[in-house]
Amino acid sequence: DSGVTQTPKHLITATGQRVTLRCSPRSGDLSVYWYQQSLDQGLQFLIQYYNGEERAKGNILERFSAQQFPDLHSELNLSSLELGDSALYFCASSADRNNEQFFGPGTRLTVL
Amino acid sequence: SQKIEQNSEALNIQEGKTATLTCNYTNYSPAYLQWYRQDPGRGPVFLLLIRENEKEKRKERLKVTFDTTLKQSLFHITASQPADSATYLCALDKGTGANSKLTFGKGITLSVRP
Repeated sequence: DSGVTQTPKHLITATGQRVTLRCSPRSGDLSVYWYQQSLDQGLQFLIQYYNGEERAKGNILERFSAQQFPDLHSELNLSSLELGDSALYFCASSADRNNEQFFGPGTRLTVL
Repeated sequence: SQKIEQNSEALNIQEGKTATLTCNYTNYSPAYLQWYRQDPGRGPVFLLLIRENEKEKRKERLKVTFDTTLKQSLFHITASQPADSATYLCALDKGTGANSKLTFGKGITLSVRP
């Protein structure tokens, strides 16, 4: 158990819909990262927050957004969903940007 | 463009042998490199981190080397066991300022047969 929690574990929805994925980092970790993993693309970095502020951005679509709240939990919002958004979404946290990242169990999103 | 290559999709070895996994990169100057293990349907688990000024790092049966001239890292598992079967990912980070982010390779799937 990494100490990072993600909800929900599975999510099935239709094209055009909007969903919210939630992540709680390990106790004391200030950095939260979001990744998307699909079979053909591998693990793709989406975005990082550090203590409530956006710190780095990767291959995140404009339809996607995220935020980190004062209690350090984070949410990833995915809107106008397309079939190609079906993937595993992982959240990770770290104590420092140069340290290892601890990954949550992931949310499997299926868009029908 | 920046590229990370893990040179094969799968590696099959006999129990007890040493597994060697390769990570090559181009157009990149990472400050450090990390190796993760991922089991099917689960999140990656951190294994080892090596910095650009380090040549080798060890942890129990694991060893990683980092050659910034060759732009290559090798990950070794000695005395491999069937429980080592998993996908292994390398990840690079430039570590420049506050906007650091890890870039992962696609991984190599290791199968250790009894």
